[in-house]
Amino acid sequence: QKEVEQDPGPLSVPEGAIVSLNCTYSNSAFQYFMWYRQYSRKGPELLMYTYSSGNKEDGRFTAQVDKSSKYISLFIRDSQPSDSATYLCAMTVSGNTPLVFGKGTRLSVIA
Amino acid sequence: GAGVSQSPSNKVTEKGKDVELRCDPISGHTALYWYRQSLGQGLEFLIYFQGNSAPDKSGLPSDRFSAERTGGSVSTLTIQRTQQEDSAVYLCASSSPRGGKTEAFFGQGTRLTVV
Repeated sequence: QKEVEQDPGPLSVPEGAIVSLNCTYSNSAFQYFMWYRQYSRKGPELLMYTYSSGNKEDGRFTAQVDKSSKYISLFIRDSQPSDSATYLCAMTVSGNTPLVFGKGTRLSVIA
Repeated sequence: GAGVSQSPSNKVTEKGKDVELRCDPISGHTALYWYRQSLGQGLEFLIYFQGNSAPDKSGLPSDRFSAERTGGSVSTLTIQRTQQEDSAVYLCASSSPRGGKTEAFFGQGTRLTVV
């Protein structure tokens, strides 16, 4: 079993839809959770960062962490064509350990 | 600088040749990571530097791969005797894990093609 599982998609939604992206993990020691957005032929861009269970909101984006279920989610409200990208979840145990990534979910938002 | 800088952005090399990839992290960031991303795949961890501690080399796929970080800043990833399976995008990231913060910021990557 991989440490971090993420459905690669592709996921295609109409403009304005609510998008739900998810990752599960097996290592209960993970404490810090991140979501990255990666456009084609670009480096990953940090979107959201959280270290506690519960929700964190930033504009149209909400990150949700459920440590008891080892499950994290990213919600995108009012999705836009510019949101079309690959979304990668990442997590780590501490500030002194490397990030472990999911494989990424490719999202297309159709106008 | 304002962000993580990687050079070159693209590199085409012949099988068997050595290559060096460079990463300039964000000024003041003590942690530096190298990852590899193959076509359609997620990010594969290669090596991690944190301050003056011994680097975590657990992700390096073979002894053809090595990396160093001089003066706690610039890092160079070296691949010796390149093979076609080394073709990938090599990504560098840096972070400042003071206070337990672990957000890592990535460069644009070096696209390596071994022919």
